[in-house]
Amino acid sequence: GAGVSQSPSNKVTEKGKDVELRCDPISGHTALYWYRQSLGQGLEFLIYFQGNSAPDKSGLPSDRFSAERTGGSVSTLTIQRTQQEDSAVYLCASSGWDSNNSPLHFGNGTRLTVT
Amino acid sequence: GNSVTQMEGPVTLSEEAFLTINCTYTATGYPSLFWYVQYPGEGLQLLLKATKADDKGSNKGFEATYRKETTSFHLEKGSVQVSDSAVYFCALKNQGGKLIFGQGTELSVKP
Repeated sequence: GAGVSQSPSNKVTEKGKDVELRCDPISGHTALYWYRQSLGQGLEFLIYFQGNSAPDKSGLPSDRFSAERTGGSVSTLTIQRTQQEDSAVYLCASSGWDSNNSPLHFGNGTRLTVT
Repeated sequence: GNSVTQMEGPVTLSEEAFLTINCTYTATGYPSLFWYVQYPGEGLQLLLKATKADDKGSNKGFEATYRKETTSFHLEKGSVQVSDSAVYFCALKNQGGKLIFGQGTELSVKP
């Protein structure tokens, strides 16, 4: 079946503009994650949705970042007033109901460049 | 809090050499441990996992044993191939919690 789909694959934006990144998880997956991958920085956790529970937002780096997940499926990560340090690859992943044992399936990411 | 520390890369080996990538963790409770791999131009994918102490995860000739006494989950392979060149990420997950990754270790295998 289809994997995790992210769009756009590349986004170039000017400093100060808002951007929206989209993630379509695997159908039926209840857990959804956003991570940020910067060169030489590894994978930085941003936010985690699990079913109908309140999301774990502890990784969001500032109040310019927000995310929502509508209908337990599609998720949108929004970055307001983008800064150059926001440039990175933003990765979305989803997993099944037994999130402790089922593997995360990653999308190919959105490469964000802030000029 | 929970954290994962990996050996720094890049690691460069000749084909058929033995590989070890060290991973240690700090966590409360009894986390599950994972290795993920990112091949060039591809997305991350699960390589292997272990869900309790003394479990050994294995896949594609790679192995890692969950050592609670040393809080480690080192990745090993007896004979690496050029096709193993990738970035390897160690990760942990506590019950009901989020997946936390290490910083990644780049492996380059030369023919």
